This record gives sequence, structure tokens and C-alpha cells, in this order.
Amino acid sequence: KQEVTQIPAALSVPEGENLVLNCSFTDSAIYNLQWFRQDPGKGLTSLLLIQSSQREQTSGRLNASLDKSSGRSTLYIAASQPGDSATYLCAVAYRDDKIIFGKGTRLHILP
Amino acid sequence: NAGVMQNPRHLVRRRGQEARLRCSPMKGHSHVYWYRQLPEEGLKFMVYLQKENIIDESGMPKERFSAEFPKEGPSILRIQQVVRGDSAAYFCASSEQQYGANVLTFGAGSRLTVL
Repeated sequence: KQEVTQIPAALSVPEGENLVLNCSFTDSAIYNLQWFRQDPGKGLTSLLLIQSSQREQTSGRLNASLDKSSGRSTLYIAASQPGDSATYLCAVAYRDDKIIFGKGTRLHILP
Repeated sequence: NAGVMQNPRHLVRRRGQEARLRCSPMKGHSHVYWYRQLPEEGLKFMVYLQKENIIDESGMPKERFSAEFPKEGPSILRIQQVVRGDSAAYFCASSEQQYGANVLTFGAGSRLTVL
């Protein structure tokens, strides 16, 4: 069964700290993995897309890595800011044309 | 490019009524996906459509739910005889091609409340 798990479910860190969000998935037959941000009551904003052939992608203070063999991805946020507070979702696109989402990590950056 | 447009943003229905949610994909996108998000839950896939075709409806409840993506106009998710358990946020996403290399672009969602 294809499953995507995100740990931790919630995280609070002081402003300025670097942090790592984790995503693990079963079944390595994937097209890509995408990280999204969701603000309360809002839609999803795509942050980074990593193709199955790639190891990492970077955008500003965000860096996402992918280890397909171990079924893991991490989202690294450098120098966190209060504006980074949101729920971060990991979505895996499998080769059988399913996209499975994790339940997300609720991030709270303390000013 | 206005992005993926969903309406209504909020919809209130009484039990037994019908709910219609609309999704206009990004310009140039011919692939549409509907997801449901329950409180404190992740997004659950419902249905994947291309113009005039349902490609995968494996996540759609067998009864009361239907979806379409006509040749002209938006994609519509229709829920008949709504029940309280249908209360959720319904998100639509579109892509230029099938899953795979393409980024999914999401709309802001339609939040259905069933009284």
C-alpha cells in the first residue's frame, strides 16, 4: 500500500533557527515528490518539486532532498521567520498515476 | 494567468441539498484533479479528469458524488443529497500534462459546510 508519512505532526521553534521537516514514503516507483505550503483556510502553494532522478532542489532559504532508495525526503528551512508559520505538505506522485499526500507538519515559528 | 479558480469559496447547504463546486484550470492546462481535505487530515484524492473524460475516479464515493470536465467550461464536482460528513474543503488542481514531470497548481479551495 502506498503511504506518505510526515513527522513531526507539529513543530514550534524560535525565530532564526534552522529546521528540518521529514517525509517518508513507501514504494520507490515514483515520478516526483513535491513540497507544498498551506496557510490556515487557504489553498496549497507549491514550494519545490524534485524529480525522481534528482537528489535535491533549492529555492531561497528552502532546500529539499530526495533519497528514493530509502523512501525519504527532507525539507530544510534556513533562518526561520515568523512568516514561515504554516502547514507543510509532502506529496508523492507514483508511477501508477496516483498522488498521495502526507498529513502535513504544522510549523509555528516563535517571534 | 489567473491560476486555478475555484468557486464558490464557501458554500453552506442543509442535509439533503445538492452542492456544486466549480474549478477552472490554469490556461493551457487540460488535466484536472479533485481532492478533499477533512479537518486535521491530509488531502485525499477523489478524481482525475481530462477534457470530456474521467480518467481515474477511484477516490470518489460510489454514491452521490460525480464529476465532469466538459469541452467548454469549468470542471464541476457535484454532491447530491449532502450529509454532515461531506463537510470539508474541496481542492482542485490542474497540470499541463499528466502527473509525472509537471507541477500541480492548486486552487484556493471550496469549503463546504453541511448543516
